[in-house]
Amino acid sequence: KAGVTQTPRYLIKTRGQQVTLSCSPISGHRSVSWYQQTPGQGLQFLFEYFSETQRNKGNFPGRFSGRQFSNSRSEMNVSTLELGDSALYLCASTPGGRIYGYTFGSGTRLTVV
Amino acid sequence: GIQVEQSPPDLILQEGANSTLRCNFSDSVNNLQWFHQNPWGQLINLFYIPSGTKQNGRLSATTVATERYSLLYISSSQTTDSGVYFCAVSADSWGKLQFGAGTQVVVTP
Repeated sequence: KAGVTQTPRYLIKTRGQQVTLSCSPISGHRSVSWYQQTPGQGLQFLFEYFSETQRNKGNFPGRFSGRQFSNSRSEMNVSTLELGDSALYLCASTPGGRIYGYTFGSGTRLTVV
Repeated sequence: GIQVEQSPPDLILQEGANSTLRCNFSDSVNNLQWFHQNPWGQLINLFYIPSGTKQNGRLSATTVATERYSLLYISSSQTTDSGVYFCAVSADSWGKLQFGAGTQVVVTP
């Protein structure tokens, strides 16, 4: 079955703009999580959605937001981009409910100039 | 939050060598995974192993939950094993994996 699909793969934006990233989970998976990876901070948790509800949130400013649709696809939005938002953004999905392992997508590499 | 420490930070191996990567965590967990990050950035799930021992080909992993550590064994390493290996844990029922800093592995021919 298809894995976790993230689009776009690469993105270049200008400081002050906003950006929307998309994540389609594995079919049947209802939980979607987002992570930011930078050389300085490593992999950091952004937020997690299950059945269209945000269940958990990391320590990021309000410029970072997300949502989940009824088909479990998720989007994350970053407004008023800063140079420090340049990172690899990774999405993961899991069936939800009981504890299962997480499967990650290939990521979206965002560059802010 | 849970602290995750991985060692060593860097590892250089000759092809065919064996190695052990370690992950220590500071609290009880209900999820522990090992990932391999390929050069394109994707995190490949190697093992979901909150406790016990698992093997998959040349890779195996053991988690001793009572002593709060996990080990990843790479046997007969190949150049394709190069990359960063991450350990990630969670104590929540819902999301939020806490990642270690990773072990950068380089396998030379």
